[in-house]
Amino acid sequence: ETGVTQSPTHLIKTRGQQVTLRCSSQSGHNTVSWYQQALGQGPQFIFQYYREEENGRGNFPPRFSGLQFPNYSSELNVNALELDDSALYLCASSQDRATNEKLFFGSGTQLSVL
Amino acid sequence: DAKTTQPTSMDCAEGRAANLPCNHSTISGNEYVYWYRQIHSQGPQYIIHGLKNNETNEMASLIITEDRKSSTLILPHATLRDTAVYYCIVQSNFGNEKLTFGTGTRLTIIP
Repeated sequence: ETGVTQSPTHLIKTRGQQVTLRCSSQSGHNTVSWYQQALGQGPQFIFQYYREEENGRGNFPPRFSGLQFPNYSSELNVNALELDDSALYLCASSQDRATNEKLFFGSGTQLSVL
Repeated sequence: DAKTTQPTSMDCAEGRAANLPCNHSTISGNEYVYWYRQIHSQGPQYIIHGLKNNETNEMASLIITEDRKSSTLILPHATLRDTAVYYCIVQSNFGNEKLTFGTGTRLTIIP
């Protein structure tokens, strides 16, 4: 059984650029959630995908968008990067969209916006 | 607004029980108490959750007061690898509500 994997592990971008982060969910999981974690803060929910459809969204602007593929892997896209987008981006997978039980998190992508 | 209140930091001696408190005085009837922890440079890890009754698994025990307004996570024999930020989260288990993390308790295990 493979765990949640994210790529890349680190990324540096400049303000105004676009970025794509990738996540492979744990085997057997059909739901992927994305979180943003600023330095010294807890993770904040961005959105969730279930069977390729968005299933819930946190308080993030439309320039944060996502995709889920038939194999349940997922991408997070951020357009027009701002300095405040610098954070650790975490992906979590679960077996069921309807429960908060046992989210399995990856180790994250550390994004720095200069 | 955070639904839980946790101490910012705690220390515990290696081998002793670590007791992490959490206040959730506004918890509603259908909300569970979840505990996750985050070791440095890793994503959060699920520990345990409960509704009313005390729960125990291979990682920890969760003690919830009878009025459900507070709870305690117990790591029975803390090791250095238990040094992490521990998050107490109150959330409904179903529907579209997603886990809302606060700032947690930074637990340091002292050799």
